[in-house]
Amino acid sequence: DTAVSQTPKYLVTQMGNDKSIKCEQNLGHDTMYWYKQDSKKFLKIMFSYNNKELIINETVPNRFSPKSPDKAHLNLHINSLELGDSAVYFCASSPTTRPGELFFGEGSRLTVL
Amino acid sequence: RKEVEQDPGPFNVPEGATVAFNCTYSNSASQSFFWYRQDCRKEPKLLMSVYSSGNEDGRFTAQLNRASQYISLLIRDSKLSDSATYLCVVKRGDQFYFGTGTSLTVIP
Repeated sequence: DTAVSQTPKYLVTQMGNDKSIKCEQNLGHDTMYWYKQDSKKFLKIMFSYNNKELIINETVPNRFSPKSPDKAHLNLHINSLELGDSAVYFCASSPTTRPGELFFGEGSRLTVL
Repeated sequence: RKEVEQDPGPFNVPEGATVAFNCTYSNSASQSFFWYRQDCRKEPKLLMSVYSSGNEDGRFTAQLNRASQYISLLIRDSKLSDSATYLCVVKRGDQFYFGTGTSLTVIP
């Protein structure tokens, strides 16, 4: 069973389009994250939710909007895609009992043409 | 200034070698420290936590020097399967801060 699953794994789209990436975790964790890994392999936090509440909202363009319908799901919607949005987007979750450990999904590779 | 700085490498070492990676962090209020491993085109996975007293997990030894804000990872008797990018991570509050990673290739 996949612990943190993201869909789609690959996404190729045109500039200006709107797209969503979905994330689900079946680990019972309270905290979920979205990270962006750019071409230089730098992993940068975008958002974090704890039990459906937004707790971290880094300096991210407001074209990016996270949504957490319940604590097992954290989706990312991106409006008006730009070339610079091309990256791998990782979802992760973290247990309250072991807050130091991040469990990552396999990543969603977004290419904007 | 970046929160976490690492030498990107690459480090190319023969099988059986000992290799050490270093990392520095900029904020003295950082609370927890970790090494993650990321294989090519895969997600990062926790390798080990790092404690002030130093800790060991098999061939891997991690050290933390809070005064110098410095973290290290030592890999002994390198295996081909150790080839990966090693990410230094610090946590402060709810936030994890990642270094850009150090690339290791173990050569037969």
